[in-house]
Amino acid sequence: DTGVSQDPRHKITKRGQNVTFRCDPISEHNRLYWYRQTLGQGPEFLTYFQNEAQLEKSRLLSDRFSAERPKGSFSTLEIQRTEQGDSAMYLCASSPRRTAPSEETQYFGPGTRLLVL
Amino acid sequence: AQKITQTQPGMFVQEKEAVTLDCTYDTSDQSYGLFWYKQPSSGEMIFLIYQGSYDEQNATEGRYSLNFQKARKSANLVISASQLGDSAMYFCAMREWKNNDMRFGAGTRLTVKP
Repeated sequence: DTGVSQDPRHKITKRGQNVTFRCDPISEHNRLYWYRQTLGQGPEFLTYFQNEAQLEKSRLLSDRFSAERPKGSFSTLEIQRTEQGDSAMYLCASSPRRTAPSEETQYFGPGTRLLVL
Repeated sequence: AQKITQTQPGMFVQEKEAVTLDCTYDTSDQSYGLFWYKQPSSGEMIFLIYQGSYDEQNATEGRYSLNFQKARKSANLVISASQLGDSAMYFCAMREWKNNDMRFGAGTRLTVKP
């Protein structure tokens, strides 16, 4: 039983470059989430997919950020024109569907650490 | 507004002793879920335990138990018989029925001393 995987695990880029991260959820999970975590803080929600549909985006997700889940399986998160403030850990999580959304346990991947120089 | 509060930035515990990590939350929903995650230095968030707002019994998972006091809106994590491998950041989180996102507290860094 494989867990959530993310690639790459680490990324160093220069300000202004574009970066793309990939997340592969647990295979039977139809819900996928992206979070951002800065040093000393808990994760903050970015966006949510149910199958291939992006159902919610946080105000943290500026126009430079875009996420896709084209076939309802893996997802990508792209950051265009990176800024130093984008430096953070980007976490992906997936969950199976439950009758009550509040019961859904989210299982996280190892994260991608982004450093923008 | 901050919905999850973890007031202990850092905690120390002696190996084999029990420790309680505090968490209070704020919601007007009747239906919500409370979660605890462990984050070692490697970065991965590891799910530990879940408590539903309608659950009358406190949740337990091995050495982890959740002290749920609904009227006080607290959901403290109790780790019994601490082990060196328990040293990590611990995050309390809540998901309300109406929201898709999970809200996390700022975390507590637990250090287990030999």
